Order: sequence, then C-alpha cells, then structure tokens
Amino acid sequence: EVQLVQSGAEVMKPGHSLRISCKGSGYSFTRHWIAWVRQMPGKGLEWMGSIYPGDSDTRYSPSFQGQVTISADESISTAYLQWSSLKASDTAMYYCARLEGMGYCTGGECSTKWFDPWGQGTLVTVSS
Amino acid sequence: QSVLTQPPSASGTPGQRVTISCSGSSSNIGSNTVNWYQQLPGTAPILLIYNNNQRPSGVPDRFSGSKSGTSASLAISGLQSEDEADFYCAAWDDSLNGPVFGGGTKLTVL
Repeated sequence: EVQLVQSGAEVMKPGHSLRISCKGSGYSFTRHWIAWVRQMPGKGLEWMGSIYPGDSDTRYSPSFQGQVTISADESISTAYLQWSSLKASDTAMYYCARLEGMGYCTGGECSTKWFDPWGQGTLVTVSS
Repeated sequence: QSVLTQPPSASGTPGQRVTISCSGSSSNIGSNTVNWYQQLPGTAPILLIYNNNQRPSGVPDRFSGSKSGTSASLAISGLQSEDEADFYCAAWDDSLNGPVFGGGTKLTVL
C-alpha cells in the first residue's frame, strides 16, 4: 500500500525554526515528485512547492519562494518542509502528497499530475 | 483569491444530482487536464477525479467529471449524506509553472 506518514502536530513560538517530515512507503520514493500543500484555518488548498527526491530538483510557488525550504533524504524515503523563522501567519495544516501521472500532452491538452495519496497532515500552530 | 473559481457552496437532497463548476483560463484549464479532490470534515483530501473524467479505483461511479474550454464540472448523482464534504478542482497553470486549486465548494446534503 502506498502511504505517506507525516510528523506530529507542533506548537511553536514566533521566530523559531521548524522542520516537519513526510515519510513515503510502498513505492519507489525516488521516482515520484512530492508536493507540500498548505491549508490555513477555514481556507482552501495552496500548492507550496515540490521536490523530486531522485535528484533533489525543487520547485516553489512564487508565494512561498524564500519563505520555506523543501528537501528530501532518499536514504530514509522522507521529505521535509522547514522554516527558519516562523510567523503567526504560518499557522496552518500542512499536507504532503505524491504527484502521480505521466505529464504527457496530446491534442493540445497536457495531463496535469494529480496528488495521490496525501499524508494525514501536520498542524503547525505559531503563537506567543 | 484562488486562480480557479468555484462556487463557495452547493446543496441537494438525498438522491438528487448536484454539479459543481470550476472556471479558469487558457493558461490552466484551457490547456491542461483537471483533477478533483474531496475533503471530508477533519480529514486529508483524497483524489476523486483525474484527467478530467477518470475515477481512481474505489471511487463510486456516482461521481463524474467533465471539461469544456476553460471550465470544468464535477457531477454527483444519487446524492448521499456521506457525500457532505469540501470539493476542490485543480489544474496545472502554465504561467505559474505549477498546480493551482479552486477555492473549494462546501457541499451540504439537506
């Protein structure tokens, strides 16, 4: 069974650093992109960025570039999302998800990779 | 404000058919396929529809997807109380060079 298991909830103070994790199992970890998605309280889903563990190629949404760092350790099939200085506005649920699909194009339409499966989520609360 | 536009809410009674729309532009839905996700209360999202109209194994055929031009739709027939959830559309955006989501639609089964 393909599974992503995330680290537990965190309560942090502003200005502190944090790294949360996402461990993959049941598939070849190095051959699939892993994405991080933010969901602020009562809000929708936002793509933050993705990493290809096979070569650590990393892409960021412009909204999150410079605000977080995404990394991966293929030896333990784990992806990470980290902050160097948390803000209260970072309070949210964070999900990791595997990106699936071939990304091919045909007839003027390209196939969007899909997120499947998702991790269970990591709640990050930043408060003084 | 989300790149893809969805109605914030939708509702129906058990057994009814409900549709949820997702509107985009030429840089996303107009040139890339659409995926749909269901998020039950208090849980992580799950994949519901991929490549516009494909259902993963285990998803009932009551759920169907379609796309035309720069818009897509999710249809749910034979509505059941357990369908009450938030639904999100998503597509690759060529301008952003990344995936974008709709704002989500909260489905209520009356």
